[in-house]
Amino acid sequence: QSVLTQPPSASGTPGQRVTISCSGSSSNIGSNTVNWYQQLPGTAPKLLIYSNNQRPSGVPDRFSGSKSGTSASLAISGLQSEDEADYYCAAWDDSLNALFGGGTKLTVL
Amino acid sequence: EVQLVESGGGLVQPGGSLRLSCAASGFTFSSYEMNWVRQAPGKGLEWVSYISSSGSTIYYADSVKGRFTISRDNAKNSLYLQMNSLRAEDTAVYYCARDYLRTGAFDIWGQGTMVTVSS
Repeated sequence: QSVLTQPPSASGTPGQRVTISCSGSSSNIGSNTVNWYQQLPGTAPKLLIYSNNQRPSGVPDRFSGSKSGTSASLAISGLQSEDEADYYCAAWDDSLNALFGGGTKLTVL
Repeated sequence: EVQLVESGGGLVQPGGSLRLSCAASGFTFSSYEMNWVRQAPGKGLEWVSYISSSGSTIYYADSVKGRFTISRDNAKNSLYLQMNSLRAEDTAVYYCARDYLRTGAFDIWGQGTMVTVSS
């Protein structure tokens, strides 16, 4: 059971906007920044969002992140079929451990 | 091209040892903090260990503390993970990952190397 809690699944239709939540505590999300990763089937994870809401070069602006208190969210607008993947939130804990959420499997209907 | 390539995975018996390597290229390896992250079959991501750019600061997940040792050789652009007293629950794909601009995010990942602990 992960310390960071994500819904196991999410879905949407092409063009729709979907959000994925990530809930933590004061010792992790509450006091450190949140990162988001996308993992396509059979591939290594890819950094999608860092420092709560920053996009690395090359990540489309359809992807956005936010954080409030001990929770964070990833939003994907203009959903596309290639967005079908597993999404993980992550944050460092004050105990100097990096934590991942359990992952959310996104299905594009 | 910025790249990380893991090697050293394989089948090992419970209680055995294995040493993973991660070869870095395309960037100044000695300037970056590095991590190991693993993923058990069909499961989510689990952080394993962190090492600072100089190797002077190291952190471990509780699940591997005392059994795994992370190290690096900046002259060889390489990261290592020595795994001892392996257990069935250590079975996973092991990824090395680069820290992004000291943000704690992992921006470059290797392709992973599979470690299977079984008798």
